[in-house]
Amino acid sequence: QSALTQPASVSGSPGQSITISCTGASSDIGGYNFVSWYQQHPGKAPKLMIYGVTYRPSGVSNRFSGSKSGNTASLTISGLQAEDEADYYCSSYTSSSTVLFGGGTKLAVL
Amino acid sequence: QLQLQESGPGLLKPSETLSLTCTVSGGSISSGNYYWGWIRQPPGKGLEWIGSIYKSGTTYYNPSLKSRVTISVDTSKNQFSLNLFSVTAADTAVYYCARISGGNTYSDYWGQGSLVTVSS
Repeated sequence: QSALTQPASVSGSPGQSITISCTGASSDIGGYNFVSWYQQHPGKAPKLMIYGVTYRPSGVSNRFSGSKSGNTASLTISGLQAEDEADYYCSSYTSSSTVLFGGGTKLAVL
Repeated sequence: QLQLQESGPGLLKPSETLSLTCTVSGGSISSGNYYWGWIRQPPGKGLEWIGSIYKSGTTYYNPSLKSRVTISVDTSKNQFSLNLFSVTAADTAVYYCARISGGNTYSDYWGQGSLVTVSS
């Protein structure tokens, strides 16, 4: 199984909004509402930011939102802040009852 | 607060077996409908899902690693373990253990990670 496809990098200025895409197939993203997103700062463990396509865990800012259309999921961060600079990974449940991650996107806050 | 902690050797030689244990505190592996899994991250690269296990012992593995991986659970010790056989340099990575919720679909609690280096 190949990794989900994410852009290698995105950037934005403080206060702006950015969107990170994550493209898969009908056997993963397109077939289930089980997409999640993780934020990872250097040297740290990943942190769950979105699950079930659109749900935010308790404590995660409402500046983070998720959506899905067909085989592509998206993470939008509004009101960009310096602390949002990190790597972001999408993941999806698959028809093989496994989990597939995206290759990761480095977010730069300029 | 649930906490997970990986433990095991940090240096292995090629062809050896990687064995890591994840100790769960602040909650019981036997409680709730959670899976417990392993994810790894080679230096400078992305995340790779290795596999997961339910308290009953049901396992799911990444097809690309399935022939070399076993995950087991010891509910009496509140631990679960990873064995990866016949390692090579390509298995060098930070290995994370995690609690997996939502019917084995997302990881909501993570360990801090354990770096395992494979080198002769």
